[in-house]
Amino acid sequence: KQEVTQIPAALSVPEGENLVLNCSFTDSAIYNLQWFRQDPGKGLTSLLLIQSSQREQTSGRLNASLDKSSGRSTLYIAASQPGDSATYLCAAVFGNEKLTFGTGTRLTIIP
Amino acid sequence: DGGITQSPKYLFRKEGQNVTLSCEQNLNHDAMYWYRQDPGQGLRLIYYSQIVNDFQKGDIAEGYSVSREKKESFPLTVTSAQKNPTAFYLCASSLGTGHTGELFFGEGSRLTVL
Repeated sequence: KQEVTQIPAALSVPEGENLVLNCSFTDSAIYNLQWFRQDPGKGLTSLLLIQSSQREQTSGRLNASLDKSSGRSTLYIAASQPGDSATYLCAAVFGNEKLTFGTGTRLTIIP
Repeated sequence: DGGITQSPKYLFRKEGQNVTLSCEQNLNHDAMYWYRQDPGQGLRLIYYSQIVNDFQKGDIAEGYSVSREKKESFPLTVTSAQKNPTAFYLCASSLGTGHTGELFFGEGSRLTVL
């Protein structure tokens, strides 16, 4: 069974620090991986989509990497701000199957 | 603005009643999806549709029904057969088919059974 794991479930970081969020998956036959942000009571906002042929994608202060051999993706957030506080979810497509979601990391940026 | 609109945002239902959640998109996306989100669990797929007049069951389809009569619309009915319907429901869409496109979500509908 393909699984996606996000550890830790919660993380607190002082404002201004750089931080890394982790996403692990059990199947190296990954098609793509997507990172999302979810604010309380809201829907998911797509942040970055990495195809299996790519090693990383960047958007502003965000950088996502993909390492299929180790079964790991990271989301790097530079110069964190209080507005970055949210739950971050990753989701992977394996082969041509449906998307499998992690349970998310709840990030709190401390002013 | 292009996007996905879900309504209502909050819905209360008495036991034994059917309710329908609306999902409309103006992104011209082919595929549409319904997910359920419960605290401490990952999103779970209820139904998805890759083309008009066709849809497939996801992991937790029991007690739910859908229709796809128009490309832009994918309503979800929560029937009285769904034993634990209180949850946050999310509609999504993607360009192309096969679950491989970038996924875009609506703002969600929170259903509470009284």
